[in-house]
Amino acid sequence: QKEVEQDPGPLSVPEGAIVSLNCTYSNSAFQYFMWYRQYSRKGPELLMYTYSSGNKEDGRFTAQVDKSSKYISLFIRDSQPSDSATYLCAMRVNDYKLSFGAGTTVTVRA
Amino acid sequence: GAVVSQHPSWVICKSGTSVKIECRSLDFQATTMFWYRQFPKQSLMLMATSNEGSKATYEQGVEKDKFLINHASLTLSTLTVTSAHPEDSSFYICSARDPAGIETQYFGPGTRLLVL
Repeated sequence: QKEVEQDPGPLSVPEGAIVSLNCTYSNSAFQYFMWYRQYSRKGPELLMYTYSSGNKEDGRFTAQVDKSSKYISLFIRDSQPSDSATYLCAMRVNDYKLSFGAGTTVTVRA
Repeated sequence: GAVVSQHPSWVICKSGTSVKIECRSLDFQATTMFWYRQFPKQSLMLMATSNEGSKATYEQGVEKDKFLINHASLTLSTLTVTSAHPEDSSFYICSARDPAGIETQYFGPGTRLLVL
């Protein structure tokens, strides 16, 4: 069993729809949770960073962490074609090594 | 802030040659840098962690003599793929930790290596 599970998709939605992404994990020691966006042939770009459980909102993006269920989510409201990318969840304990999900490929159709 | 650059962005080389990839933190000092490898449609695989002034720590299964890492300064780490072979063709991405920021990793744009 992988430490971090993420459905690779692909996920296709019409412009303006809400994109819902999630990851589950097995290591209860994870404390820091991140979402990265990666465009094709580019390095990952940090989108959201959350410590422990709770919600965090930044513009059209909302990240949720439920440590009791070992489940994290990312929601993208009013999705745009420019949101088409691969979204990677990542998490870590107190050291700095990240454990990544497989990445979900999202296409927003104009 | 928190910008990481990589050079070159892509490289094509013949089998048996060595290739050096540079990773630089442009606006912060990175005590720790990481090197990843990514195959098409797969996630990032951590190869090694490098700390400035000390030897890199390699992940299990990564050949130390094959992938030489040097972190000589707080803003520069290099990865040298020695005697490259076609199976080394991949997308190599570095990241750096900004200890003054939110303490996560900021990634470079990646280097695409093709070994013929």
